Amino acid sequence: DAKTTQPPSMDCAEGRAANLPCNHSTISGNEYVYWYRQIHSQGPQYIIHGLKNNETNEMASLIITEDRKSSTLILPHATLRDTAVYYCIVRVSGGGADGLTFGKGTHLIIQP
Amino acid sequence: DAGVIQSPRHEVTEMGQEVTLRCKPISGHNSLFWYRQTMMRGLELLIYFNNNVPIDDSGMPEDRFSAKMPNASFSTLKIQPSEPRDSAVYFCASSLARTHNEQFFGPGTRLTVL
Repeated sequence: DAKTTQPPSMDCAEGRAANLPCNHSTISGNEYVYWYRQIHSQGPQYIIHGLKNNETNEMASLIITEDRKSSTLILPHATLRDTAVYYCIVRVSGGGADGLTFGKGTHLIIQP
Repeated sequence: DAGVIQSPRHEVTEMGQEVTLRCKPISGHNSLFWYRQTMMRGLELLIYFNNNVPIDDSGMPEDRFSAKMPNASFSTLKIQPSEPRDSAVYFCASSLARTHNEQFFGPGTRLTVL
């Protein structure tokens, strides 16, 4: 699985868009980008995944650069409940049938 | 929908004692995963099962750890004998074993070994 690099922490004002970057310069053509988050004292929670096209769901948007070497998770209107550690994971399969490898992630703090 | 159920939620035991953690996956899911989280090492995959069969146990730290899945609705992670360095939060997750299906995590068991 390709290695990912994320900033250790970020702040964002409540109501603003939170943009979380992830670098994955060694990503292979058949590897997907997955995002999970972990709210304090809870288990991780799936957010979104993508291959090369931008993706959007009810939780977030995922923007993947054309060369696929980096991506950005966007929480469009951050709330205090979005304070969590966000993990960017790159792998061939989604982890449905294989285990996930978590890095250190980004601790996103939403400020009131 | 009950989600993944883990028990106990908290366990405090003394070094040398046997510890058994339990997990009930989401009904219909056929993959089950055990993870461990510590401040030092973060979230680590210990072992996972597909259709009740252990597929990869390379993350199990040593022979003191064992995991079983006797049926599709129950799994255990056992530590015998326990040591203080086993103190961690242990998460169980389940999913449908398809390529891009998400994993659903339980609330975790916080284990403290004194």
